[in-house]
Amino acid sequence: SQTIHQWPATLVQPVGSPLSLECTVEGTSNPNLYWYRQAAGRGLQLLFYSVGIGQISSEVPQNLSASRPQDRQFILSSKKLLLSDSSFYLCAWTRGRDYGYTFGSGTRLTVV
Amino acid sequence: KQEVTQIPAALSVPEGENLVLNCSFTDSAIYNLQWFRQDPGKGLTSLLLIQSSQREQTSGRLNASLDKSSGRSTLYIAASQPGDSATYLCAMNYGGATNKLIFGTGTLLAVQP
Repeated sequence: SQTIHQWPATLVQPVGSPLSLECTVEGTSNPNLYWYRQAAGRGLQLLFYSVGIGQISSEVPQNLSASRPQDRQFILSSKKLLLSDSSFYLCAWTRGRDYGYTFGSGTRLTVV
Repeated sequence: KQEVTQIPAALSVPEGENLVLNCSFTDSAIYNLQWFRQDPGKGLTSLLLIQSSQREQTSGRLNASLDKSSGRSTLYIAASQPGDSATYLCAMNYGGATNKLIFGTGTLLAVQP
């Protein structure tokens, strides 16, 4: 069976510090991978998606970047965090458009 | 613009009641639709996936329907339980290059024991 792992679960970082959130998928190959952000009281916003190794597309301009160094690994990064980066970040994967999405457990990021 | 609206925004019912959550979308050219539940501070758990060619899907006490012509989907929960308390989200997949989901605004459900 396929599983998705996302870590850490919570993170408190000072303004200006770097960020690295990791997501891995097990039990499948060549998944479509996604990073979403969910601000308090607001809907989910797509940040990045990837259909293959090294292929990253950004949906919105921001202080964040994403990388896919391995087939089943997706990393969300920032060089210098802003207060406005505080949010709940979710990783997700799907085999393709005929299949549903599976989400990770999320990372609560608080920038102080 | 592709917009998804869920009504009601919040709902409180006594245990045992049957209930319906509504999801409306402006663009009916969907590829599929997925219903999720989200517990506080947690990720999204997939409940049901309906392809555009289907009218409904069932899983246990849950039944989701899709009416593309009217731009509506409903999630029916039978014999509600306190453990059903969560936020329920519908999400549209319009396919294309991104295959991204367009999420609804969510319905916060509280089932009172």
